[in-house]
Amino acid sequence: LAKTTQPISMDSYEGQEVNITCSHNNIATNDYITWYQQFPSQGPRFIIQGYKTKVTNEVASLFIPADRKSSTLSLPRVSLSDTAVYYCLVGDIPAGNNRKLIWGLGTSLAVNP
Amino acid sequence: DAGITQSPRYKITETGRQVTLMCHQTWSHSYMFWYRQDLGHGLRLIYYSAAADITDKGEVPDGYVVSRSKTENFPLTLESATRSQTSVYFCASSDPRDYEQYFGPGTRLTVT
Repeated sequence: LAKTTQPISMDSYEGQEVNITCSHNNIATNDYITWYQQFPSQGPRFIIQGYKTKVTNEVASLFIPADRKSSTLSLPRVSLSDTAVYYCLVGDIPAGNNRKLIWGLGTSLAVNP
Repeated sequence: DAGITQSPRYKITETGRQVTLMCHQTWSHSYMFWYRQDLGHGLRLIYYSAAADITDKGEVPDGYVVSRSKTENFPLTLESATRSQTSVYFCASSDPRDYEQYFGPGTRLTVT
């Protein structure tokens, strides 16, 4: 099974770009990469998902190199409200009853004024 | 109300007692999941279900039982609670066509 590794914590300042990298050396062919955000006392919330190359939505970008052994979540111009824990998730395509989901331990991002 | 709900939100129980955590979703998502979240371990999958009457073990299933007789409900039962099962439990659901999981607010369970 793929194992996901990400930094425990990161610090940034308002207005800066933040990049959080997740390592998943044993990612399988069918695995997608998904990132979630979690605030205290809440369930995780979906940010972005990708399979390869680059994906961008209104809140973040996800960069995945050709070998797919890592991925980088990029948050442009962070604000204080982006202070949260960010999780990397690696998992395969839902297929019947055989679904594997490997979560990283989370990166605690602190955005300072 | 549309969404995914969990009950109770907080529960204190004693070692050896049976406890059932409830999860209900209104989207008719076929996939549902139970996770536990502990410091130092992140989120760990306990059980998941691809559809009504179809369930399978995740990473840490021991000591837990699930059922899914209806698409919208996915209860998690601790048959004989132990202190090591003190945790925050999250239920989630997703559509099989994508990977976005929608999480409930969590249940904080304390086993004394």
